[in-house]
Amino acid sequence: GENVEQHPSTLSVQEGDSAVIKCTYSDSASNYFPWYKQELGKRPQLIIDIRSNVGEKKDQRIAVTLNKTAKHFSLHITETQPEDSAVYFCALNRDDKIIFGKGTRLHILP
Amino acid sequence: DTGVSQDPRHKITKRGQNVTFRCDPISEHNRLYWYRQTLGQGPEFLTYFQNEAQLEKSRLLSDRFSAERPKGSFSTLEIQRTEQGDSAMYLCASRLGQINTEAFFGQGTRLTVV
Repeated sequence: GENVEQHPSTLSVQEGDSAVIKCTYSDSASNYFPWYKQELGKRPQLIIDIRSNVGEKKDQRIAVTLNKTAKHFSLHITETQPEDSAVYFCALNRDDKIIFGKGTRLHILP
Repeated sequence: DTGVSQDPRHKITKRGQNVTFRCDPISEHNRLYWYRQTLGQGPEFLTYFQNEAQLEKSRLLSDRFSAERPKGSFSTLEIQRTEQGDSAMYLCASRLGQINTEAFFGQGTRLTVV
């Protein structure tokens, strides 16, 4: 089945710096790549998504890039703030299912 | 509340007992998904429905697990003869029928098997 590899598993950045999380996949048929944020004790919530017909998408401090040839996509958070501390999951759509990576725990240091 | 709702939020059960969870999706969403999440892991796909039809079950889903969506609206997930390894957060998600649309998650049901 489809696996989504996500790195790093833990990431600590100074407040105000940027954070980058990377994911790789193997099935070239995947064409939808959402990113979810999960705060402690809460449900996963979509923060940004990208479809395979574009290479980059930006929403304020959050951006996602997609390289379909290399089969990897990345989440970029700029000017990080304390409220960015959470677990972030990359995911992809395969055969109408959403398959998740194992997550990255992001710590924003004061 | 127009979001995905799950009931109960927490369930503690003794090993060997049966449990049933309920999910009410967003009303116009025809796709409904069940996931399991353990500490430090991402949501793991279990099964999903398009309307009332169960289209796929994960090979990880043992025969002790069964899910239904009888009228294409709410869904139930039943675990028979629970084991300690079943302890996890069970998440439900729903989305519209078009491909590549956002999936909305419920708050989950946290199951503890003692």
